[in-house]
Amino acid sequence: QITLKESGPTLVKPTQTLTLTCTFSGFSFSTSGVGVGWIRQPPGKALEWLALIYWDDDKRYSPSLKSRLTITKDTSKNQVVLTMTNMDPVDTATYYCVHRGGDVVVEPSSNWFDPWGQGTLVTVSS
Amino acid sequence: EIVLTQSPVTLSLSPGERATLSCRASQSVSTYLAWYQQKPGQAPRLLIYDVSNRATGIPARFSGSGSGTDFTLTISSLEPEDFAVYYCQQRSKWPRTFGQGTKLEIK
Repeated sequence: QITLKESGPTLVKPTQTLTLTCTFSGFSFSTSGVGVGWIRQPPGKALEWLALIYWDDDKRYSPSLKSRLTITKDTSKNQVVLTMTNMDPVDTATYYCVHRGGDVVVEPSSNWFDPWGQGTLVTVSS
Repeated sequence: EIVLTQSPVTLSLSPGERATLSCRASQSVSTYLAWYQQKPGQAPRLLIYDVSNRATGIPARFSGSGSGTDFTLTISSLEPEDFAVYYCQQRSKWPRTFGQGTKLEIK
């Protein structure tokens, strides 16, 4: 069973840097094709994809936020870390980490975000 | 980036009725489209992937269709637990994008 859990601060001040950690189980980065991503959702609003890191350390970022985002992985700890600099109140959102599978032969839905972590609400306020 | 436009924004139906949700892409996404369901206070979950394939554990009353730029999610007979927000998502191009969601509410 694949599970993911987000952790990090619930409150950050404007201009500060946010660091979120996704700790997962049930899969590993040793599997070709595997990825872990981050998606956020402001209260009452739609989903916004932020970043994705693959098993081979290939990284993809949202162009609109690329200058502020860094995604890294720690394979030995089964963790993925997202940092977002220069936080603003508009960045207030629930941040989800998501699994992207590795082998469509084994799991046909592998190319999609499944499952998701429970999410963590981050509020940006002074 | 590819913009996904969902309609309607809100759909009011009764249990037992048929629901039809639409997702239109600003350019072709081929068959690289999925649907997610989100209930209040919960994370989204994958419903349909590659346009028409149900994810593990998803009931047969959920179906998807379409290709290119126009896609449909159909719920054949609504159950009380189906009232939620539904999002479409494309993986044809980077960045991955989502629609703005359709809220399916009880009439």
